[in-house]
Amino acid sequence: DTGVSQDPRHKITKRGQNVTFRCDPISEHNRLYWYRQTLGQGPEFLTYFQNEAQLEKSRLLSDRFSAERPKGSFSTLEIQRTEQGDSAMYLCASSRTGTGDTEAFFGQGTRLTVV
Amino acid sequence: AQTVTQSQPEMSVQEAETVTLSCTYDTSENNYYLFWYKQPPSRQMILVIRQEAYKQQNATENRFSVNFQKAAKSFSLKISDSQLGDTAMYFCAFMILGGSEKLVFGKGTKLTVNP
Repeated sequence: DTGVSQDPRHKITKRGQNVTFRCDPISEHNRLYWYRQTLGQGPEFLTYFQNEAQLEKSRLLSDRFSAERPKGSFSTLEIQRTEQGDSAMYLCASSRTGTGDTEAFFGQGTRLTVV
Repeated sequence: AQTVTQSQPEMSVQEAETVTLSCTYDTSENNYYLFWYKQPPSRQMILVIRQEAYKQQNATENRFSVNFQKAAKSFSLKISDSQLGDTAMYFCAFMILGGSEKLVFGKGTKLTVNP
């Protein structure tokens, strides 16, 4: 296992277009998180899955954002009708069922630029 | 509101010297973990050190140690014998046990280790 994998690494899109990102977590990890990181800021929580169930969504996640984790393995994050304010690094992280004693492993992120 | 404050946007240190990064946080919860994550340029976030809030003893990982002051809600990171590879963004974060166990991050401190 090579860790958390995200694809693509970079995406440039025109305003108004839809984009989809993929995250492949560490295989035995049942928890998956999406975060957004803008320039000069720390990552901010977007949403969380335990297995295939999306259990929490931040209010940062507007109606234009949707995330899925079919079959509890990889996850996708789709942004519809992109806006310039969506430009950010989108980070995925995974961990095992929480006792709080496990580490969250992060992918390298997908950097989105909306022009 | 649960917040993390890192008051030092940038710091620099000479190779082999010691540097301390500061972090304060605010939460009304009692059961939580605190973390320092390192994000090297263009690489993924990795865990540096973790502290359980119920433990009084400060965590240590090789050259990295923390000063955890629970009453003051302070969680500083000390890096001893700084190395060039320590150059990175450092993020302080906490996680409430139970529920999603998502991470709440500070804005980060950019550390540069000079030769």
